[in-house]
Amino acid sequence: EPEVTQTPSHQVTQMGQEVILRCVPISNHLYFYWYRQILGQKVEFLVSFYNNEISEKSEIFDDQFSVERPDGSNFTLKIRSTKLEDSAMYFCASSVGKTDAAGEQYFGPGTRLTVT
Amino acid sequence: GDSVTQMEGPVTLSEEAFLTINCTYTATGYPSLFWYVQYPGEGLQLLLKATKADDKGSNKGFEATYRKETTSFHLEKGSVQVSDSAVYFCALNARRALTFGSGTRLQVQP
Repeated sequence: EPEVTQTPSHQVTQMGQEVILRCVPISNHLYFYWYRQILGQKVEFLVSFYNNEISEKSEIFDDQFSVERPDGSNFTLKIRSTKLEDSAMYFCASSVGKTDAAGEQYFGPGTRLTVT
Repeated sequence: GDSVTQMEGPVTLSEEAFLTINCTYTATGYPSLFWYVQYPGEGLQLLLKATKADDKGSNKGFEATYRKETTSFHLEKGSVQVSDSAVYFCALNARRALTFGSGTRLQVQP
């Protein structure tokens, strides 16, 4: 069964450093998403991406965040200058596309980011 | 804006007990509704879904019915197992981004 994969599973970085989190969505999916989950809290939407551009973003997704689809398979989230409060589990998800009325999204296993 | 409210946990049950986890929502339009499950140390897995009023989603013995009149999507299971211990998230999709509830931790004791 196809699945969303994410690397690395755990990333430790120092405050102020840049990090790139990587995701490989399911191959025939057209919409891609990033969510985050701060420990013990709810899962929060960050951004959605379609046709090589951001289609929607939340207020959390400020100028320190960016997303990119550098090739035909990878989808990345970059945090330019990490802060302690960026420590969280980051989930990538993908869905078939606009015609998917169910809006079903498939999630990767997550990358745990720890900022020290 | 869209929001999902779930009952707070943890919910602690004995094996073979009946489970209900309440979920209510606020949304414009007609959202699709989902239950996701997160097992310890793992990511989110779709458990079941319903796309329109009165639809019943079901999977692995779990069920939830989309109730438009009460804006609810309560999760039920007739007989829980220890292996059902996890965090359960109710979510809705009104546009394209999922809006999640805060999650309910279920602990099933043998």
